[in-house]
Amino acid sequence: EDKVVQSPLSLVVHEGDTVTLNCSYEVTNFRSLLWYKQEKKAPTFLFMLTSSGIEKKSGRLSSILDKKELSSILNITATQTGDSAIYLCAGVTGTASKLTFGTGTRLQVTL
Amino acid sequence: DGGITQSPKYLFRKEGQNVTLSCEQNLNHDAMYWYRQDPGQGLRLIYYSQIVNDFQKGDIAEGYSVSREKKESFPLTVTSAQKNPTAFYLCASSIMAGSYNEQFFGPGTRLTVL
Repeated sequence: EDKVVQSPLSLVVHEGDTVTLNCSYEVTNFRSLLWYKQEKKAPTFLFMLTSSGIEKKSGRLSSILDKKELSSILNITATQTGDSAIYLCAGVTGTASKLTFGTGTRLQVTL
Repeated sequence: DGGITQSPKYLFRKEGQNVTLSCEQNLNHDAMYWYRQDPGQGLRLIYYSQIVNDFQKGDIAEGYSVSREKKESFPLTVTSAQKNPTAFYLCASSIMAGSYNEQFFGPGTRLTVL
């Protein structure tokens, strides 16, 4: 059975802190790993990772995949209150792009 | 404006009723997906469709049914056989059902059984 585990489950930080969110996966026929941000409703796409060791970056967010360790991290530097959200990680399997999601990490950034 | 729309935003159902959740996309995407989100459990795949007139069961298909008569539309019916239907339902689509295409999500429908 495919499984994706995220840690920590929740996190409270002060504005300006740097955070690292973790995702480990056991997915058969693994193709890629996706990160999403979910604020209130629809998850919004952040990153797709397919190759190990290549960092993807977007502003203060960055992510990297380690296929040897079957894991990925999402870093957020200089956090802002607008970063408060649930961050979801999903493993993509097979040709039908089936996603297996983790339970998410709830990040709260306080002033 | 291209995107995915879901309706209604909130839905209340009495026990024993079937209800249908709408999902429409004008992105010209081939593949569409339905997920269910419960607190503390992340998103779980209910059904997916890679092409018109074809769909496959996901991990939790029991008590649900779908149809894909048009490329733009992928409605989900929650039947009375679904024992615990109260949840947040998300529809998604991707360009095609390939490995390297991210899925884009609609705004969701929150279903409550009274």
